[in-house]
Amino acid sequence: RKEVEQDPGPFNVPEGATVAFNCTYSNSASQSFFWYRQDCRKEPKLLMSVYSSGNEDGRFTAQLNRASQYISLLIRDSKLSDSATYLCVVNMSHDYKLSFGAGTTVTVRA
Amino acid sequence: DAGVIQSPRHEVTEMGQEVTLRCKPISGHDYLFWYRQTMMRGLELLIYFNNNVPIDDSGMPEDRFSAKMPNASFSTLKIQPSEPRDSAVYFCASSPPSVFYNEQFFGPGTRLTVL
Repeated sequence: RKEVEQDPGPFNVPEGATVAFNCTYSNSASQSFFWYRQDCRKEPKLLMSVYSSGNEDGRFTAQLNRASQYISLLIRDSKLSDSATYLCVVNMSHDYKLSFGAGTTVTVRA
Repeated sequence: DAGVIQSPRHEVTEMGQEVTLRCKPISGHDYLFWYRQTMMRGLELLIYFNNNVPIDDSGMPEDRFSAKMPNASFSTLKIQPSEPRDSAVYFCASSPPSVFYNEQFFGPGTRLTVL
């Protein structure tokens, strides 16, 4: 079983729509959780950290469910510029190693 | 401020040749990471350094791969001899000192093709 698993998509949505997707992680002792964004042929960039109580950053909402070991990302009012691959990232130990999911591809169409 | 700098951006080489990838982390960052990304395996951590010292190299695929960090502003990842299965995008990332985990800032990557 992979450490971090994501639905690869693609999720094709119209502008203005809401899209949501999850990832699951295998290690119940995982410490920190993040969503990174990666545009085509570019480097990953931090989108947002995920806190136990859930958190929002503009149109983006992240949730953490420790009991079921999954993380979710919801994008409201999708923009064309939201088209990207979203990487679920988990820190599974008390060090700086991160485990990356394979990514969920989102395409927003006009 | 300059971000993480990697060179070369693209490298095409023939099987059996030595390849050296270079990275300059963000000034003041004391963690440096080398990753490899392929379609099949996604993003994999190869090795990371703290204060120029290798902390975990368990992701290095085999003895053909080696990494060094001679000072706080420079690191290399070397593949010798290279093989076609080494073709991938290699990212370097750095992170500032922190008691807790901190954001990793990625460089633009080196796209390596081994023929």
